[in-house]
Amino acid sequence: GAGVSQTPSNKVTEKGKYVELRCDPISGHTALYWYRQSLGQGPEFLIYFQGTGAADDSGLPNDRFFAVRPEGSVSTLKIQRTERGDSAVYLCASSANGYTGELFFGEGSRLTVL
Amino acid sequence: GENVEQHPSTLSVQEGDSAVIKCTYSDSASNYFPWYKQELGKRPQLIIDIRSNVGEKKDQRIAVTLNKTAKHFSLHITETQPEDSAVYFCAALEGTGGFKTIFGAGTRLFVKA
Repeated sequence: GAGVSQTPSNKVTEKGKYVELRCDPISGHTALYWYRQSLGQGPEFLIYFQGTGAADDSGLPNDRFFAVRPEGSVSTLKIQRTERGDSAVYLCASSANGYTGELFFGEGSRLTVL
Repeated sequence: GENVEQHPSTLSVQEGDSAVIKCTYSDSASNYFPWYKQELGKRPQLIIDIRSNVGEKKDQRIAVTLNKTAKHFSLHITETQPEDSAVYFCAALEGTGGFKTIFGAGTRLFVKA
């Protein structure tokens, strides 16, 4: 595809609900990242995939957050029992191989937990 | 792990003036330092980057300098234009066998016409 695609662009949910956010990276990019960006802050690292495996999930805030990338392309970030503090823009990024450095970001999924 | 500090948080300049944004990092093994620009409601996009084997890099009106000894790097924008108004993030790629990029908190640049 032309760029990193994220869906939905906006998600409003109620506290306690389950949410899935999808990321479709640039074709051929083996590295995929999830970041969370709160208002007025820089992107905060959540998890990094190299291929199908989660190479580093040290940024996931707690066990309510989980991400998968079963076929090494599309990734889904899953949030259980959402809390108001989870409200943020969730950014996905991909890079060619994780070594070259440049991240290509999607437009983000804005999550609002009421 | 890596920690990146950025300042100022807000910077206002007159059109045509220069703007400088400064960052420090903590992981001496980090070897790649990108800068991203994020316009309101848009995705962050890379504008320039520098690797640890060089001290300075220029691309038209923007330049980045790196001091590995002091562990700080800076973004310089000359002849600023209103379209330079955006949030700028510095970042560092962890060098300790990991591949995560850690971002600073951002600098909101206003260029007044």
